[in-house]
Amino acid sequence: EAQVTQNPRYLITVTGKKLTVTCSQNMNHEYMSWYRQDPGLGLRQIYYSMNVEVTDKGDVPEGYKVSRKEKRNFPLILESPSPNQTSLYFCASASYKGPNGKNIQYFGAGTRLSVL
Amino acid sequence: KNQVEQSPQSLIILEGKNCTLQCNYTVSPFSNLRWYKQDTGRGPVSLTIMTFSENTKSNGRYTATLDADTKQSSLHITASQLSDSASYICVVSAYNGGFKTIFGAGTRLFVKA
Repeated sequence: EAQVTQNPRYLITVTGKKLTVTCSQNMNHEYMSWYRQDPGLGLRQIYYSMNVEVTDKGDVPEGYKVSRKEKRNFPLILESPSPNQTSLYFCASASYKGPNGKNIQYFGAGTRLSVL
Repeated sequence: KNQVEQSPQSLIILEGKNCTLQCNYTVSPFSNLRWYKQDTGRGPVSLTIMTFSENTKSNGRYTATLDADTKQSSLHITASQLSDSASYICVVSAYNGGFKTIFGAGTRLFVKA
């Protein structure tokens, strides 16, 4: 079954304790992306990756790191989490069909993170 | 500044009625526009996607329109069902050497029996 898998689904941590949220897709997609969703706001893009070893900042990259060593995995790293990073996080992937293509993104189920 | 604005913020309709959701964007250079449905606590699921040259796209009871000149899109839901209760999100992608994806804040639709 084609899917985007995020782990963990729920996480409570404390300020400053490094954490990683994993994201894996089994569709051989080139494009992967991380978003955060906060009440009253649309999803905001944190980082995205056009392919292996190619990553770029989205709109809200501060406090986050990513890596793309393999095509299927795109982990999100919070080196020193802070309470303002408490949010619902989504990973997504898409098959890249060029700048005018229909790059439908498939989303994971989400990770709800609370930083105390 | 790249922005996507949706209206209304929320909407309550009776089962069986039709409704139309609006999306205005100021995203450039435009690549494509998508409508997603997001159930509470779940990831968004794609409903329709349109590129610059397309002005309408249907998916069952969902019909999206796009006016690239006025930078407006709408999502029309016909004969609403209780299961249509969800957030509907307008998403616009810009391509300028890399992809930027800008999400609207969504319209929260409640369908009542």
